[in-house]
Amino acid sequence: SQQGEEDPQALSIQEGENATMNCSYKTSINNLQWYRQNSGRGLVHLILIRSNEREKHSGRLRVTLDTSKKSSSLLITASRAADTASYFCATDERDDKIIFGKGTRLHILP
Amino acid sequence: EPEVTQTPSHQVTQMGQEVILRCVPISNHLYFYWYRQILGQKVEFLVSFYNNEISEKSEIFDDQFSVERPDGSNFTLKIRSTKLEDSAMYFCASRQGRANEQFFGPGTRLTVL
Repeated sequence: SQQGEEDPQALSIQEGENATMNCSYKTSINNLQWYRQNSGRGLVHLILIRSNEREKHSGRLRVTLDTSKKSSSLLITASRAADTASYFCATDERDDKIIFGKGTRLHILP
Repeated sequence: EPEVTQTPSHQVTQMGQEVILRCVPISNHLYFYWYRQILGQKVEFLVSFYNNEISEKSEIFDDQFSVERPDGSNFTLKIRSTKLEDSAMYFCASRQGRANEQFFGPGTRLTVL
């Protein structure tokens, strides 16, 4: 089965900088979602981008999708300490279950 | 803002015991899911549920697992005879339609001793 794979596995940046995380997947999808998870906590839905969309914004978040390369990126601009978390992409192949990647651990340094 | 809720937040049980994890999905949602995340690993799909029946289940979801929507609001996951390897965070999720976002609950941390 397909799965999203995030890159890098871990990322440390200074507060105020931009953070970019990438996700690659293997098969055709209907949509792709990004989630955030604080350590040991629940999954917070960030954004959904459909296969016919190329870019989507939500506040400081920008998501791109390139279906020809089977990849997506999540950009967090002007990072804050509260952005420290793990970020997961999740692909939706048949509009039912979603498949998660292993995640990128983002650490914002003060 | 509506949200998915789960109880309990933490459940400790002895190996071989039955546990029931409870979820209240968002009220106008029609599709319901259980996922689990073993510590340090990725989130894994267990089962999807729609129109009062299982739509799909993973290999993990064997005969020891069952789901039920006993009334109009609750969605439960039962593990009949827990094993040590069932220790994980269990997440319930729901979505309004098949092409919509899946919203997750805060999770139940299950510890099997």
